[in-house]
Amino acid sequence: GAGVSQSPSNKVTEKGKDVELRCDPISGHTALYWYRQSLGQGLEFLIYFQGNSAPDKSGLPSDRFSAERTGGSVSTLTIQRTQQEDSAVYLCASRPGLWDEKLFFGSGTQLSVL
Amino acid sequence: AQKVTQAQTEISVVEKEDVTLDCVYETRDTTYYLFWYKQPPSGELVFLIRRNSFDEQNEISGRYSWNFQKSTSSFNFTITASQVVDSAVYFCALRAGRGGSNYKLTFGKGTLLTVNP
Repeated sequence: GAGVSQSPSNKVTEKGKDVELRCDPISGHTALYWYRQSLGQGLEFLIYFQGNSAPDKSGLPSDRFSAERTGGSVSTLTIQRTQQEDSAVYLCASRPGLWDEKLFFGSGTQLSVL
Repeated sequence: AQKVTQAQTEISVVEKEDVTLDCVYETRDTTYYLFWYKQPPSGELVFLIRRNSFDEQNEISGRYSWNFQKSTSSFNFTITASQVVDSAVYFCALRAGRGGSNYKLTFGKGTLLTVNP
């Protein structure tokens, strides 16, 4: 497809379990972001990847959260020992390059931690 | 630090009414960029517009118009003759600083617009 693809679209898990969320950016886009959208809140920055540079992890809320981007393309956001407060929509976005302002978003993964 | 405030949590209008969504931003940088994104029920945010801090000219695109006023740190969005398809959450966002090194967008909490037939 031509857009940013995220999977799964919905994930229900039990408290304490680990989850992996996947993002396939638009082919050729060098920049990739993860944002979190909680009910009634705006979009909270989590992590940013640009090319081969070290990622900016400054938005990750705790050390239970990690992300990687393999081969400059697909990215996986991992949440270990999930907590109920992790329930949110996790959005991935990609951008063509450093100087292109427009972000292209996926439809997100709705994570529910029971 | 940057901050974006969208004071209107929800707005409900009847089709064909005009509606303005407010956005107030805070930044100490003199170079910054402002954005509006639309999030329809499908969930995928869609880019609407970008303005840079040096261009205060208002912009019109069809039924959409944007009013950028540095004096009041506002970047308001008006939909003229609203339609049901305009129903969505609208986010205002700010990116501050020069060049590609300042890449984080700070988003407001969004305004849910419901256009009733």
